[in-house]
Amino acid sequence: EAEVAQSPRYKITEKSQAVAFWCDPISGHATLYWYRQILGQGPELLVQFQDESVVDDSQLPKDRFSAERLKGVDSTLKIQPAELGDSAMYLCASSIRQSNSPLHFGNGTRLTVT
Amino acid sequence: GQQVMQIPQYQHVQEGEDFTTYCNSSTTLSNIQWYKQRPGGHPVFLIQLVKSGEVKKQKRLTFQFGEAKKNSSLHITATQTTDVGTYFCAGSSTGNQFYFGTGTSLTVIP
Repeated sequence: EAEVAQSPRYKITEKSQAVAFWCDPISGHATLYWYRQILGQGPELLVQFQDESVVDDSQLPKDRFSAERLKGVDSTLKIQPAELGDSAMYLCASSIRQSNSPLHFGNGTRLTVT
Repeated sequence: GQQVMQIPQYQHVQEGEDFTTYCNSSTTLSNIQWYKQRPGGHPVFLIQLVKSGEVKKQKRLTFQFGEAKKNSSLHITATQTTDVGTYFCAGSSTGNQFYFGTGTSLTVIP
């Protein structure tokens, strides 16, 4: 079964450094999501893409976070500079279409900021 | 933003007992999805409900969508140790952006 690929699996960085996460959705999935999940909480939507366009980034802290999906396939989420409060699991998900479709999640990137 | 709350936050049950988690939205939803996340894993899609009052079953799992489309529930009959995990609802008012609930962590005691 096709999967959403994410890398790295784990990332440890010092505060004020820059970090980047990569996601490759399931082939043919037009919609891509980045979620942040703090331990013990539900995933929080950061940004949603439809093909290469941003559909929703209202919850993305734009002073330090950026996301792109230049060719409408894989995506990168960047944090610069990282803060202690950014420590969390960053989950990428994709769906075949924008509306009423199941989300398929990757294994996530566990970020620890020291 | 959209608020989706779940209760209870934690539930411990003896194996064989039933389990229910409830999901409540501050706004009327277009549809709602349910996910299960095993410890150390990622959320895995279980089901989607779209219609008012809809009830769907998957073996021992029963999912309901409220008449007003602002609440939902997941009921597991005769829990097994394989049911352990956190169950999340994810609601959408547009059918597009899905906002996850706070989750209910289920522990099944053998």
